[in-house]
Amino acid sequence: EAGVAQSPRYKIIEKRQSVAFWCNPISGHATLYWYQQILGQGPKLLIQFQNNGVVDDSQLPKDRFSAERLKGVDSTLKIQPAKLEDSAVYLCASSSLRTRSSYNEQFFGPGTRLTVL
Amino acid sequence: AQKVTQAQTEISVVEKEDVTLDCVYETRDTTYYLFWYKQPPSGELVFLIRRNSFDEQNEISGRYSWNFQKSTSSFNFTITASQVVDSAVYFCALPYNFNKFYFGSGTKLNVKP
Repeated sequence: EAGVAQSPRYKIIEKRQSVAFWCNPISGHATLYWYQQILGQGPKLLIQFQNNGVVDDSQLPKDRFSAERLKGVDSTLKIQPAKLEDSAVYLCASSSLRTRSSYNEQFFGPGTRLTVL
Repeated sequence: AQKVTQAQTEISVVEKEDVTLDCVYETRDTTYYLFWYKQPPSGELVFLIRRNSFDEQNEISGRYSWNFQKSTSSFNFTITASQVVDSAVYFCALPYNFNKFYFGSGTKLNVKP
């Protein structure tokens, strides 16, 4: 079974530029997540999709970040314009639908390391 | 509100030593789950274990074992006879609402040969 794919793996941009990250989840996984992981910290949830709808984007800085999941499969996260503090690893994860009695593990991609100069 | 505390920022051990990584959590839920993930230098988080609050039995998987104690709100992780390949950052996570995960800040484990 193929894992979660992300691209690019690394990106270096100047502040105020735009950048986009792509994620392809595990086949059949209804739920997709984007996390931001700043160096030395744990991942922090930015946005959660279920199929092609947003479940939670309360932690997404909507003035500069946007995300979409067209057709309930692939997803794109965009930053426009980037700031120095956006330097981080952006992780995509997916999981199968949660049942009423259980939480399911999330499967993570390798991440995109963003450096904003 | 959910909270996970991993007080140990970094631990260094010599190969074959045993090491325990601490995780203390806070939740108002009466039923909950806890997870441990490993993040090797390659960056991808790897699932290690999921436990639910109904089951306080210790879990053992090879050199890995987990001690879950609701009385102290702790879910600690022990690696027996550590190996260099165990070097990584380890995260404890507490899920909430629709499978969102709250991660601790992680413990970096350095295993030296």
